[in-house]
Amino acid sequence: GAGVSQSPSNKVTEKGKDVELRCDPISGHTALYWYRQSLGQGLEFLIYFQGNSAPDKSGLPSDRFSAERTGGSVSTLTIQRTQQEDSAVYLCASSPGTVLNSGANVLTFGAGSRLTVL
Amino acid sequence: AQKITQTQPGMFVQEKEAVTLDCTYDTSDPSYGLFWYKQPSSGEMIFLIYQGSYDQQNATEGRYSLNFQKARKSANLVISASQLGDSAMYFCAMRNNNAGNMLTFGGGTRLMVKP
Repeated sequence: GAGVSQSPSNKVTEKGKDVELRCDPISGHTALYWYRQSLGQGLEFLIYFQGNSAPDKSGLPSDRFSAERTGGSVSTLTIQRTQQEDSAVYLCASSPGTVLNSGANVLTFGAGSRLTVL
Repeated sequence: AQKITQTQPGMFVQEKEAVTLDCTYDTSDPSYGLFWYKQPSSGEMIFLIYQGSYDQQNATEGRYSLNFQKARKSANLVISASQLGDSAMYFCAMRNNNAGNMLTFGGGTRLMVKP
């Protein structure tokens, strides 16, 4: 697609429920990233995919968080047993993921999925 | 470990004036990239400008320029001729080229342009 697409744009859920957030990256982008942004804060790195593998899962805050990517394209971020502190905007980005030391390898972000846990 | 610091939580600038948003970084790696993103109230992250650690010239993109001082580890964003539409959050970010392509972000600066 023309840009990074995320769904749902808004999700309200009850504490303890599981949620799935979807990211559809720009066609041809091999790298995909998930970030979390709490209200008024900066971006917190969660996980990074190169193709279907995740070389860096260091940012996942707990074992309730998991992510997968299939076919080198769509990614799903799953939060199990949601807690109120999970409320945030979850941002997905993609990049060509080839030559690192290049301004061409810029992350393009989606509009985000706003999660509210009641 | 990488760290990005933006010391100005909020800034005001008069329309048509220039403004500098500060960013300092800390890394022990010689190969890295520095980015600035703009986040308007609508929430999307908009890429503005990039500077590579080996680039000899300061990056410029239209009204945006990056004042890169490698020895001081600073990468300040300069916006010339501010416009009302420049009011937004601005984030500085760094990529360590030896650790994948993930970006580490600073805490952001909220810029408000006064008419």
